[in-house]
Amino acid sequence: DTEVTQTPKHLVMGMTNKKSLKCEQHMGHRAMYWYKQKAKKPPELMFVYSYEKLSINESVPSRFSPECPNSSLLNLHLHALQPEDSALYLCASSDSGRNQPQHFGDGTRLSIL
Amino acid sequence: EDQVTQSPEALRLQEGESSSLNCSYTVSGLRGLFWYRQDPGKGPEFLFTLYSAGEEKEKERLKATLTKKESFLHITAPKPEDSATYLCAVLITSGTYKYIFGTGTRLKVLA
Repeated sequence: DTEVTQTPKHLVMGMTNKKSLKCEQHMGHRAMYWYKQKAKKPPELMFVYSYEKLSINESVPSRFSPECPNSSLLNLHLHALQPEDSALYLCASSDSGRNQPQHFGDGTRLSIL
Repeated sequence: EDQVTQSPEALRLQEGESSSLNCSYTVSGLRGLFWYRQDPGKGPEFLFTLYSAGEEKEKERLKATLTKKESFLHITAPKPEDSATYLCAVLITSGTYKYIFGTGTRLKVLA
C-alpha cells in the first residue's frame, strides 16, 4: 500500500462543476507535488509546495487552484475544467532535501464531461 | 533545452531473457537521476536514486548505473511480474530546481 493517499480514486464532473482532489501523507515530508498524467505519457509537474508554501507553479491555468492546509495535506480545487483536463492526477511528497526521491499516491482518475 | 529520452519505447522479453533500458539526458546542473516503476492505474513507485557518474544501485533483479550522459536499468532474468512502465526522472538546477521525467519504457515479460 502506498503511503500517500489520494481521494477520490475516480471523479466525473461537468465543465461547470466545482470539486476538490485531496492528498494526505504521514511520512513527515515537507515537500508536496501535484502532477498531471495523460495516457502513455510521463507525469507533468503542476505545482510544488515546500514547507506549506507554493514554490513552483508550472504555468498552470487558474481553473486549477492548489492549497496546502498543513504539512500533511494537499488539495487541488477544480473549477470550470475543460475536456482536455481529463487525466490521472498524481500527488507526491518528498523529504525537504532537494535531491530526495518522490513518493507517489495512486492518483485520481478525472473525467470531464 | 533540457531533455530526457528513454529507449526503447516498448520492450517484450521472454521470462529469463535479460536486457537493459536506457535513459539519456541532455541537461545542465544534474542533481540526481531517479528510476521509477509504474503499474497500470497506479502511481510511480520509487526504485533508485543515482547522484554521480559511476554510481550503481541494485535491488533484486534490477541494477541501475549512471554515466555523464545516460543511465541504464539492467533487468536480469526477468519474471512476468516485472512487467510495467519504467520511468526515469532527472532533478536539475537551472535557476530553480526542476524535475523532468523521461517518456518511459513499457516492459512486457512473457511467461
